[in-house]
Amino acid sequence: DAGVTQSPTHLIKTRGQHVTLRCSPISGHKSVSWYQQVLGQGPQFIFQYYEKEERGRGNFPDRFSARQFPNYSSELNVNALLLGDSALYLCASSLAQGVTGELFFGEGSRLTVL
Amino acid sequence: GENVEQHPSTLSVQEGDSAVIKCTYSDSASNYFPWYKQELGKRPQLIIDIRSNVGEKKDQRIAVTLNKTAKHFSLHITETQPEDSAVYFCAASIGGGATNKLIFGTGTLLAVQP
Repeated sequence: DAGVTQSPTHLIKTRGQHVTLRCSPISGHKSVSWYQQVLGQGPQFIFQYYEKEERGRGNFPDRFSARQFPNYSSELNVNALLLGDSALYLCASSLAQGVTGELFFGEGSRLTVL
Repeated sequence: GENVEQHPSTLSVQEGDSAVIKCTYSDSASNYFPWYKQELGKRPQLIIDIRSNVGEKKDQRIAVTLNKTAKHFSLHITETQPEDSAVYFCAASIGGGATNKLIFGTGTLLAVQP
């Protein structure tokens, strides 16, 4: 069975541009959450979705948005990119409605903003 | 506030020794405390978790203890092996109830010297 898949794996953008990151959860998982991991730091919670509804939001500006589709895949969108948005963006899926269950992470999308 | 502090940031032990990593959290409603292991260049993976109704949990060489009064929890690894070398992250759920946020610590780089 396939694990969590993310695309693209690497991308380079310039300041002010927009980016869309994609995530496909493990089959049967209805919950998807997004995390930003800056080098040397722990993952920072961005969003959690369950059954296509936003169930949690971290302390990120409105430039960050996400959605979940009927097949439970998800997109993370970031507008007006800043240098500080450079990071590894991790998607995780889980069976639990909330976050009190094992998270299965993807390999991540490494975003570099120049 | 929503905060998880983790110490130490780096830890070097000899093979066979024990390693202890400590975390404190700020939200008294937190009820779920997982530990993730992230090897270099790989995705985080759950190694053990504990819920607020339990004080201690063991899984072979790994154990986690929770002190709700003091709001801290610890990871204990006994008989360390070189393959235990990785970055370890603690995390705490935020919000209680239909919990929908997971806050990670800043990580501990564990180096097991053969």
